[in-house]
Amino acid sequence: GENVEQHPSTLSVQEGDSAVIKCTYSDSASNYFPWYKQELGKGPQLIIDIRSNVGEKKDQRIAVTLNKTAKHFSLHITETQPEDSAVYFCAASNPGDYKLSFGAGTTVTVRA
Amino acid sequence: DTAVSQTPKYLVTQMGNDKSIKCEQNLGHDTMYWYKQDSKKFLKIMFSYNNKELIINETVPNRFSPKSPDKAHLNLHINSLELGDSAVYFCASSRRQGTGANVLTFGAGSRLTVL
Repeated sequence: GENVEQHPSTLSVQEGDSAVIKCTYSDSASNYFPWYKQELGKGPQLIIDIRSNVGEKKDQRIAVTLNKTAKHFSLHITETQPEDSAVYFCAASNPGDYKLSFGAGTTVTVRA
Repeated sequence: DTAVSQTPKYLVTQMGNDKSIKCEQNLGHDTMYWYKQDSKKFLKIMFSYNNKELIINETVPNRFSPKSPDKAHLNLHINSLELGDSAVYFCASSRRQGTGANVLTFGAGSRLTVL
């Protein structure tokens, strides 16, 4: 089955700086890569996703890049703000598959 | 309006007891899931139902039994609770997009503590 590895496990950044989280996946057939943000005491929420026919996608301060050849994808948060502090999960799934394989999560702390 | 709602939010119980967690979604989705999040935040899928049929059944002790009375509801019953069952259980639902992507919407979680 799909195995998703996520790094780093914790990330502390100064407000206004950028944060980058990296994930690798094992199954070359995977074609859908979402990112979820989980705030304290809440469930994970989708913040951005990318499909394998696209190399990069941006939504305001967040962007995701995908390298299919290397089987890795990354989340970039620019101009970080205190409300960006949360646990971020990457995930991957195969075409037509209901199962989403999650990375282990990255706890991001934005220092004021 | 809450999209995916699960009850109870907190559950504290003794070892050996039987307990249930309920989940309802009002998004019109046809697939529902139970995920377990352990103390290290790792999210692991347990079960999934599509149109009331079980489609994912991961390696989960048979003390855990899901039930889907209709597309909008997925309940989780746990027998003979053990200390290791302590975790946050998340319900989620999804509908396959035209692109083929399966976008999940999660509930707020039910924190189970077994003493």
